[in-house]
Amino acid sequence: EADIYQTPRYLVIGTGKKITLECSQTMGHDKMYWYQQDPGMELHLIHYSYGVNSTEKGDLSSESTVSRIRTEHFPLTLESARPSHTSQYLCASSEYGHLPEKLFFGSGTQLSVL
Amino acid sequence: EDKVVQSPLSLVVHEGDTVTLNCSYEVTNFRSLLWYKQEKKAPTFLFMLTSSGIEKKSGRLSSILDKKELFSILNITATQTGDSAIYLCGFSGGSNYKLTFGKGTLLTVNP
Repeated sequence: EADIYQTPRYLVIGTGKKITLECSQTMGHDKMYWYQQDPGMELHLIHYSYGVNSTEKGDLSSESTVSRIRTEHFPLTLESARPSHTSQYLCASSEYGHLPEKLFFGSGTQLSVL
Repeated sequence: EDKVVQSPLSLVVHEGDTVTLNCSYEVTNFRSLLWYKQEKKAPTFLFMLTSSGIEKKSGRLSSILDKKELFSILNITATQTGDSAIYLCGFSGGSNYKLTFGKGTLLTVNP
């Protein structure tokens, strides 16, 4: 069973607030990802990391930033939340090796910005 | 532009029916095609396909890839209510293993 955790599960916050979405995994995976998903729409990759001190922008432009100071931790930060940031954010991880595309997903954070 | 198109977008069936979900893709640097099942929030891995014409099977689920015609299908036989979920198709391209997903097919299995 995948051990990847996201907190909070739900977050309702006002415009202009700074927020950090937490993601941690205990599987020792090197690769971690953040996806954004709106209802009925595709999962869009917004950030990924190959390992500690590695961060890359994904295919969908995002005003969020990420950091990877520890292998197990990949937080996502929005400096000033806006209603357009309302979405579901899914964190995932995978390991190098036989099936690097086999992603393990967290349960997601549903963010609502008022 | 690389893209994945899934059809149908939604499907309602009765328990015991067999369903076929479709996924077509256009990619410039294809590495593999993957199927995930998304119940509630977290998608879970089902299959990865890299070779054309070879069926992957797991219980009542099976999938096959046609690299010439650029599509894949996911079959579910003898459907159960627990099969109700969004089924996501995605491809991996290039050396960085990033996945690009389609919009998914919402399958509802009624008792």
